[in-house]
Amino acid sequence: AQSVTQLDSQVPVFEEAPVELRCNYSSSVSVYLFWYVQYPNQGLQLLLKYLSGSTLVKGINGFEAEFNKSQTSFHLRKPSVHISDTAEYFCAVIKMNRDDKIIFGKGTRLHILP
Amino acid sequence: ETGVTQSPTHLIKTRGQQVTLRCSSQSGHNTVSWYQQALGQGPQFIFQYYREEENGRGNFPPRFSGLQFPNYSSELNVNALELDDSALYLCASSPGKGLRDGNTIYFGEGSWLTVV
Repeated sequence: AQSVTQLDSQVPVFEEAPVELRCNYSSSVSVYLFWYVQYPNQGLQLLLKYLSGSTLVKGINGFEAEFNKSQTSFHLRKPSVHISDTAEYFCAVIKMNRDDKIIFGKGTRLHILP
Repeated sequence: ETGVTQSPTHLIKTRGQQVTLRCSSQSGHNTVSWYQQALGQGPQFIFQYYREEENGRGNFPPRFSGLQFPNYSSELNVNALELDDSALYLCASSPGKGLRDGNTIYFGEGSWLTVV
C-alpha cells in the first residue's frame, strides 16, 4: 500500500483563485509530514512541515496545511495563487519506526491559468 | 540557495557502463541522502549516510552504492547501468543524525542521467 497518496496528478486553477492540493498517508505509527515544491529544472524546496503541536502549519509563499489525524490527511492550501506558483508539489512522510527515510508521493502539478 | 551542489548536471551513459555522481553538502550537515526521481514520479529514497557510514537504505539493488567523505562531499555510484536507471538523481543533506529529529532536509538541483 502506498504510504503517501496525492489524489490529483494535475490541478488547474485560475490566478488569484484559492487552491487545495490533497495528500493522504497511511501509517500505524506517528509521522512527520512535509510539503515540498519543485520548480522546473530545480531541486526540491521545503514549503512547510508538521512535527507536532498545532495542526495548522504555515509555510513560505503564503501556503498552509492542516494535519488531520482522524482522516490521515495533510492537505495544502493557498487562498490566492499567483502565476509564480506554477510547479510540482510533493507531499512526504517520515514514519516514527525503525526506518529512517522520507517517503514521497507522486506529486501534483499545479497549473495557474491567466 | 540550499548550499547543496551536485555534479554533473546532465550526462548520458550507455547500458552496462558505470557512473559516479557527486554532491557537496553544507558544512556541518552530517547526514546525506540520495534519491532517484523518474519522470513524472516522486523521489524514491536510495540510501542515507551519517558520518561516512550507511545508516538507511531503500529498495535498490547493491549495484547502487555510495560514499560519504569527511569534507561533507559524497558520491553515488551505479554499476551495470540499465535503461530504467534513467532519472534525476537528487542529493540532500541535513544536520543531526538521520531524519527523525525533524531537521529540514536541503536538496540539490540534481543530476540528470540518461542511459541509452
